[in-house]
Amino acid sequence: GDSVTQMEGPVTLSEEAFLTINCTYTATGYPSLFWYVQYPGEGLQLLLKATKADDKGSNKGFEATYRKETTSFHLEKGSVQVSDSAVYFCALSDRGQGAQKLVFGQGTRLTINP
Amino acid sequence: SAVISQKPSRDICQRGTSLTIQCQVDSQVTMMFWYRQQPGQSLTLIATANQGSEATYESGFVIDKFPISRPNLTFSTLTVSNMSPEDSSIYLCSVDTSGRAGVNEQFFGPGTRLTVL
Repeated sequence: GDSVTQMEGPVTLSEEAFLTINCTYTATGYPSLFWYVQYPGEGLQLLLKATKADDKGSNKGFEATYRKETTSFHLEKGSVQVSDSAVYFCALSDRGQGAQKLVFGQGTRLTINP
Repeated sequence: SAVISQKPSRDICQRGTSLTIQCQVDSQVTMMFWYRQQPGQSLTLIATANQGSEATYESGFVIDKFPISRPNLTFSTLTVSNMSPEDSSIYLCSVDTSGRAGVNEQFFGPGTRLTVL
């Protein structure tokens, strides 16, 4: 079945550092890819998405490019802030399966120190 | 987008009892989903609830344990039945508001944090 694998956390960085959170996927069809973020004490929010190969999703300074050749969707940010501390989830939705459900990675907890 | 509310936001329950969680959306949506997030874990889909039809359950989840209602296009309930400590989790509902076939964008409620003693 479809699956998503994220780099293990937790990840701790200093403010203004460069961030990469790796995400790779396995899917039988042509998935759409998402990054969700869960801030402390809050619900899950969509951060960005990409629906086809070579698409780049971006939001709030975060970017991720849909790489079909490497089946990856790594999340990057050039300069992180303390307010970026959260848990980040990579997810896919596979059109080929016909269902509208999301498959999530295990999540990566990010802590940014001032 | 969609604004989703859940009740209760949290609860502490005794083993063997049942809890019904409500999910309310501010707009009409066809597809609603229920997820479970166990402590320190990722989200796992429990079932898909479409208005006017029976819920579709994922492998490992059964209707007797997690009965779902979907009486209209803005509301759904999930019941966690005969609870045990292993059911302690955050339960989240989500909706799909995308109008384009094959591209779903799901919005999540704030979650219900359940602790079973």
